[in-house]
Amino acid sequence: SQQGEEDPQALSIQEGENATMNCSYKTSINNLQWYRQNSGRGLVHLILIRSNEREKHSGRLRVTLDTSKKSSSLLITASRAADTASYFCATDDNYGGSQGNLIFGKGTKLSVKP
Amino acid sequence: DAGVIQSPRHEVTEMGQEVTLRCKPISGHDYLFWYRQTMMRGLELLIYFNNNVPIDDSGMPEDRFSAKMPNASFSTLKIQPSEPRDSAVYFCASSLSASSYNEQFFGPGTRLTVL
Repeated sequence: SQQGEEDPQALSIQEGENATMNCSYKTSINNLQWYRQNSGRGLVHLILIRSNEREKHSGRLRVTLDTSKKSSSLLITASRAADTASYFCATDDNYGGSQGNLIFGKGTKLSVKP
Repeated sequence: DAGVIQSPRHEVTEMGQEVTLRCKPISGHDYLFWYRQTMMRGLELLIYFNNNVPIDDSGMPEDRFSAKMPNASFSTLKIQPSEPRDSAVYFCASSLSASSYNEQFFGPGTRLTVL
């Protein structure tokens, strides 16, 4: 079943601008992860935020989590052309009870123009 | 470590043929996942293993799909017979341990085209 859903589906910005992507989910979670996928490649883990955390930073990435709204956002500051990729949120299958499983959204396709 | 290794990277076959996709997880990782990615359906979990034992295969679309993990360093996903709607990119991923607090490491994928 679909857990995380990203918004927007596609985002086009100029280099140097900030990019914000949102993720909504349906059931309770233990944690939420963000992944990046370059065209033709596998997904790469970016950052994990636990359900008891509200904000987390990693370099130019900032992730927030609002469990009351069942939503998360990924902010990429000072974007670069190399940030062009698809970004996915993934939540653990807490509702389904399967340990170790993640459920991925359909992703936001980010295009950063030089 | 070389990361998760998948082979072949590309596979073109005709409808009705058997297809076997291969995966070597990262050494020491207890969990192995098979995903399918299409434009229409996004990334779907097909099956995952813990310590070589299948835990959840509810995502396997039909009996035409089967997966095995004979040892900790090798897994296969087999489609027999293949159909055009099976065309997709198939990813294998592995993770360190039981908890979903661990990140999954993805292989480069196998792009399957069934004609």
